[in-house]
Amino acid sequence: AQSVAQPEDQVNVAEGNPLTVKCTYSVSGNPYLFWYVQYPNRGLQFLLKYITGDNLVKGSYGFEAEFNKSQTSFHLKKPSALVSDSALYFCAVRALDQTGANNLFFGTGTRLTVIP
Amino acid sequence: KAGVTQTPRYLIKTRGQQVTLSCSPISGHRSVSWYQQTPGQGLQFLFEYFSETQRNKGNFPGRFSGRQFSNSRSEMNVSTLELGDSALYLCASSREPRDSNQPQHFGDGTRLSIL
Repeated sequence: AQSVAQPEDQVNVAEGNPLTVKCTYSVSGNPYLFWYVQYPNRGLQFLLKYITGDNLVKGSYGFEAEFNKSQTSFHLKKPSALVSDSALYFCAVRALDQTGANNLFFGTGTRLTVIP
Repeated sequence: KAGVTQTPRYLIKTRGQQVTLSCSPISGHRSVSWYQQTPGQGLQFLFEYFSETQRNKGNFPGRFSGRQFSNSRSEMNVSTLELGDSALYLCASSREPRDSNQPQHFGDGTRLSIL
């Protein structure tokens, strides 16, 4: 079955330190991967995507993600965390669902807290 | 350029009632998708409309329905409301269908509370 997993419900990091939010996927074929961020009482905002090409993808607000095919991972990273980065982060993968149709699967989300 | 607009932002209903939520996509976007977000279940896909046709549907009962108008605005209807329908309902739009490479643009949601 196609799926995406975010193994950590919560990640805490000190301001100024590098941050990593983990995502692994399980799909047949080539994955299309996305990261979104959700601030309180707001919808999801697109951060970045991997379709093909360079394994390191750069996105909004200084975030980047590394696609690792052998480890089936797409971890979100930032070299220096800001308090304003505190939010809920979702990984998503485009893949075929059980009906054979293309679908977009979201992870369960990781809450990032940046401590001043 | 205006973003995705959802109305109302907050809604309180009682069990057994029905509710209609509205979503206006970004101008030029023909795909509108609806999601239900709850603390326990996370983000779950309800359905997608593209050019007035339902293109894809998630695993929700028939009480959940939707439609899309010729101007791409979409409405979602939930009948015979249950306590478990309390959630944040998110609408997302994109120029192409949600199974394309394009990211989705989300509205801020309608928070529905069932008493």
